[in-house]
Amino acid sequence: GDSVTQMEGPVTLSEEAFLTINCTYTATGYPSLFWYVQYPGEGLQLLLKATKADDKGSNKGFEATYRKETTSFHLEKGSVQVSDSAVYFCALSAPDTGRRALTFGSGTRLQVQP
Amino acid sequence: DGGITQSPKYLFRKEGQNVTLSCEQNLNHDAMYWYRQDPGQGLRLIYYSQIVNDFQKGDIAEGYSVSREKKESFPLTVTSAQKNPTAFYLCASSSLAGISYEQYFGPGTRLTVT
Repeated sequence: GDSVTQMEGPVTLSEEAFLTINCTYTATGYPSLFWYVQYPGEGLQLLLKATKADDKGSNKGFEATYRKETTSFHLEKGSVQVSDSAVYFCALSAPDTGRRALTFGSGTRLQVQP
Repeated sequence: DGGITQSPKYLFRKEGQNVTLSCEQNLNHDAMYWYRQDPGQGLRLIYYSQIVNDFQKGDIAEGYSVSREKKESFPLTVTSAQKNPTAFYLCASSSLAGISYEQYFGPGTRLTVT
């Protein structure tokens, strides 16, 4: 079945450091890929998405590129801020399956220190 | 403002009692979903519905029930048969048009059963 694997956290960085959170996936067909962010005690917010190979999703300084050859969708940001501290989830949607629900990774907690 | 509302934010129940969690959306989305989130883990799909009066089991449906009598509403009942009901419950919705099926989430309900 479909699956998403994320690097384990927590990831602890100093403010203005470069961020990479790795995400790889297994899916049938051509899935769409997503990054969601969850702040403490809240629901998930869509951060960015990509729907086909080589697409780059971007939002609020975060970027991720859909790499079909490596089945990856790594999240990057050039300079993190304390306000970026949250849990980040990688997810996929496989259109070939009937249910069209998302499959999530286990989440990566990011802690940014001043 | 369009969005998804869940109520209540916190819910406390005694073991052996059924409890119903509310989820309402005004995004005119066809599909709605319920997920369960446990500490340090990803989201697991409980039930989903793509059309009024129809719903499907997800990966962990045992001990839960749902209804979809209106497009806007998708309440979840946690029954006494659910062995470990304490968790954070998230409702989501998505359009079935297009190819990506990104989901939009409510703020969540934290259920504690003692």
